[in-house]
Amino acid sequence: GAVVSQHPSRVICKSGTSVKIECRSLDFQATTMFWYRQFPKQSLMLMATSNEGSKATYEQGVEKDKFLINHASLTLSTLTVTSAHPEDSSFYICSARTGLAGGQGTDTQYFGPGTRLTVL
Amino acid sequence: GENVEQHPSTLSVQEGDSAVIKCTYSDSASNYFPWYKQELGKGPQLIIDIRSNVGEKKDQRIAVTLNKTAKHFSLHITETQPEDSAVYFCAATQAAGNKLTFGGGTRVLVKP
Repeated sequence: GAVVSQHPSRVICKSGTSVKIECRSLDFQATTMFWYRQFPKQSLMLMATSNEGSKATYEQGVEKDKFLINHASLTLSTLTVTSAHPEDSSFYICSARTGLAGGQGTDTQYFGPGTRLTVL
Repeated sequence: GENVEQHPSTLSVQEGDSAVIKCTYSDSASNYFPWYKQELGKGPQLIIDIRSNVGEKKDQRIAVTLNKTAKHFSLHITETQPEDSAVYFCAATQAAGNKLTFGGGTRVLVKP
């Protein structure tokens, strides 16, 4: 259980184009999804928190007009990198929060396999 | 905000030996501490987590300990195997579904 998928796994695009990355929770409903980027040999950096049916909350320094996030359903969130440039090349990873567990009011994040974006 | 430091950044062990990774956090309100394993080119995989109401948790060869007073927690891997080679990340948050603050990662290499 608690499987998160991402599509595509790898994308190469030309500078100036837009790229859409999908994140799906396959066997659970995710009220909240998170988007991260990761540079080589570095830790994960949170870009934004996406709640189903509402606007995403972006971390400081992340351009919301460049990284468009849509969370239209409980199983799907999309990240669109608009007008991509070489500096946007990175490993983008989403995570999804499961439902409440055991009545404890806590839940767990599960990560997707990541999307490698290369902008030429 | 929360700050998580992780040590060491690299760890090389002989197969069969134990590996220990330590993390410290700054926010005393943090109460959920997951550990993730990331293999090359893949997303992080949750391997174990601990909540603040317990001091230790074990799952086969993996264990995590938590010292809330000192604000540090550790991952212990016993009887290491080559397939344990990966990057391990600790994280902390005030609640499991809230934003995770990650440590810098530890690259573990298990030598056969």
